[in-house]
Amino acid sequence: DTAVSQTPKYLVTQMGNDKSIKCEQNLGHDTMYWYKQDSKKFLKIMFSYNNKELIINETVPNRFSPKSPDKAHLNLHINSLELGDSAVYFCASSQAASNYGYTFGSGTRLTVV
Amino acid sequence: AQSVSQHNHHVILSEAASLELGCNYSYGGTVNLFWYVQYPGQHLQLLLKYFSGDPLVKGIKGFEAEFIKSKFSFNLRKPSVQWSDTAEYFCAVIRFYNQGGKLIFGQGTELSVKP
Repeated sequence: DTAVSQTPKYLVTQMGNDKSIKCEQNLGHDTMYWYKQDSKKFLKIMFSYNNKELIINETVPNRFSPKSPDKAHLNLHINSLELGDSAVYFCASSQAASNYGYTFGSGTRLTVV
Repeated sequence: AQSVSQHNHHVILSEAASLELGCNYSYGGTVNLFWYVQYPGQHLQLLLKYFSGDPLVKGIKGFEAEFIKSKFSFNLRKPSVQWSDTAEYFCAVIRFYNQGGKLIFGQGTELSVKP
């Protein structure tokens, strides 16, 4: 009964490859997010989707492309992976205009070698 | 720009010691404030939140935080820590847009509790 689930949990890949991370939430929330946590544990928002519409797009390289087929799913595709992309990527969801904070997934640890 | 600052990068305590982690935000309007905890290798979990009302907020696992508007602060406290409290703690403020909000996190504070 995981509320926000991400797959895979770990991803090791070579530079230059293309990879995807999937996220699904079963909370009925209408807004989903991708956050990146760097090696110093700093968390920064990358994207936010509300009802499949992109509403937040921070200064992220265009090699990163989010896709939301429906409001319960938000996937992250990364092209031409670089060493600096190594991080933990967290998906989260919330109900728009809600004050209840976000529910986070368990994270995907991406290692680019 | 809205930001969140956590003063302590790494705090080391012995079990039963009292804890206070500092958090300051820079935003003059209405704020919604949060503390999240991240246990080693795990995802973020909500400890407590403040929206309005009583500035002293109680959360899970015996944690509490006090919102002091005049100081733009939202410090986290626990009277007696346990070894199991070893984790990374994040203060966050939410900035609302028309269709949602954006959680802005502080840099995090690593808490190590020695048994």
